[in-house]
Amino acid sequence: GGIITQTPKFLIGQEGQKLTLKCQQNFNHDTMYWYRQDSGKGLRLIYYSITENDLQKGDLSEGYDASREKKSSFSLTVTSAQKNEMAVFLCASSIRNTEVFFGKGTRLTVV
Amino acid sequence: QQKVQQSPESLIVPEGGMASLNCTSSDRNVDYFWWYRQHSGKSPKMLMSIFSNGEKEEGRFTVHLNKASLHTSLHIRDSQPSDSALYLCAASASSGSWQLIFGSGTQLTVMP
Repeated sequence: GGIITQTPKFLIGQEGQKLTLKCQQNFNHDTMYWYRQDSGKGLRLIYYSITENDLQKGDLSEGYDASREKKSSFSLTVTSAQKNEMAVFLCASSIRNTEVFFGKGTRLTVV
Repeated sequence: QQKVQQSPESLIVPEGGMASLNCTSSDRNVDYFWWYRQHSGKSPKMLMSIFSNGEKEEGRFTVHLNKASLHTSLHIRDSQPSDSALYLCAASASSGSWQLIFGSGTQLTVMP
């Protein structure tokens, strides 16, 4: 079986700071996703990528950038952290229209 | 308005009871539906998927799909306290966009 590794597990940033979250998968999946989950809520799609160097915006992309330089890695940048952005960011991967696997998440706190 | 709507937002059932969760998509391009379960503090894990009209059963869990109305439902019989979790519905399209869109979830609590 494979694994999705997200780093860091916890990220504390200052308001206005640029912050980067990283994700690596060894499933050899083509598609990777970044979701944001506010406490007790559903998942909102920020960015997804269907192959290396591809980027597609989700409904929540404003305020974020993403990068997929290798098939196995997908990074997310918060361009200017805001206090109302405290959430868990989940990275996921899949082969299209098959089960999506999730990492354990990065918990972001903005002070 | 969210493209994938779930109801109810929260549900409390007694141990041994039946839990019924609903999900509807407003995007007519979707034709694949997924149910994920997320226990507190954990990541979501796929529970069941359904792509064809009708019903699919796996143990205590049954999903229904009506493709004409883009409505799916998840039914859990003989509910157990370990079933207490956030249940997330997701939808995707077999062609076109590769997005996987989730709903806002149903928080299920099974009371012993």
